[in-house]
Amino acid sequence: ETGVTQSPTHLIKTRGQQVTLRCSSQSGHNTVSWYQQALGQGPQFIFQYYREEENGRGNFPPRFSGLQFPNYSSELNVNALELDDSALYLCASSLDRGSGGYTFGSGTRLTVV
Amino acid sequence: DAKTTQPPSMDCAEGRAANLPCNHSTISGNEYVYWYRQIHSQGPQYIIHGLKNNETNEMASLIITEDRKSSTLILPHATLRDTAVYYCIVRANTGANSKLTFGKGITLSVRP
Repeated sequence: ETGVTQSPTHLIKTRGQQVTLRCSSQSGHNTVSWYQQALGQGPQFIFQYYREEENGRGNFPPRFSGLQFPNYSSELNVNALELDDSALYLCASSLDRGSGGYTFGSGTRLTVV
Repeated sequence: DAKTTQPPSMDCAEGRAANLPCNHSTISGNEYVYWYRQIHSQGPQYIIHGLKNNETNEMASLIITEDRKSSTLILPHATLRDTAVYYCIVRANTGANSKLTFGKGITLSVRP
């Protein structure tokens, strides 16, 4: 079985731009969660998608949005990038909203300059 | 906010047991204790989880106190590759509140 894959691995954007990060979930998983990890901190929950619908959201502004596709892959979109958005963005997949635990990808390192 | 507290760091000698403590005094009856670890520049990796009984797998053992207010993750024979940040998390197993709430974790350094 394949694990969780994320693309790109690294990205540099300019303040004010928009970015799209992608995640392919582990085979058989129907739930995808996104986390933001600033340097030296633990990952912070952004939102979760279950069967193509948002199923929980953390304390992030509306310029953070997402999608889940019929094959359960997912995108994270961030508009109007700010310098503080620089972080490691992690995608995690699971079965049925977290039953049995989550499998994480290796993340996308976003740098906003 | 994370519902767990962990010391910021600890170290142990290679080949010895590493005992990582975690306090979760406000844990609810339906919440499990999960442990993940994160090796530098990688995503978190699941280690083990439990509800109230002690658990063991090929990676580690989890000891949960009878009142469930604290737990200890045991790596029986630590190796240099076990150097990582270890996160103790409490969560309900399913539903909309099943997200993982990470604290800062404990940084384990295994020395040769």
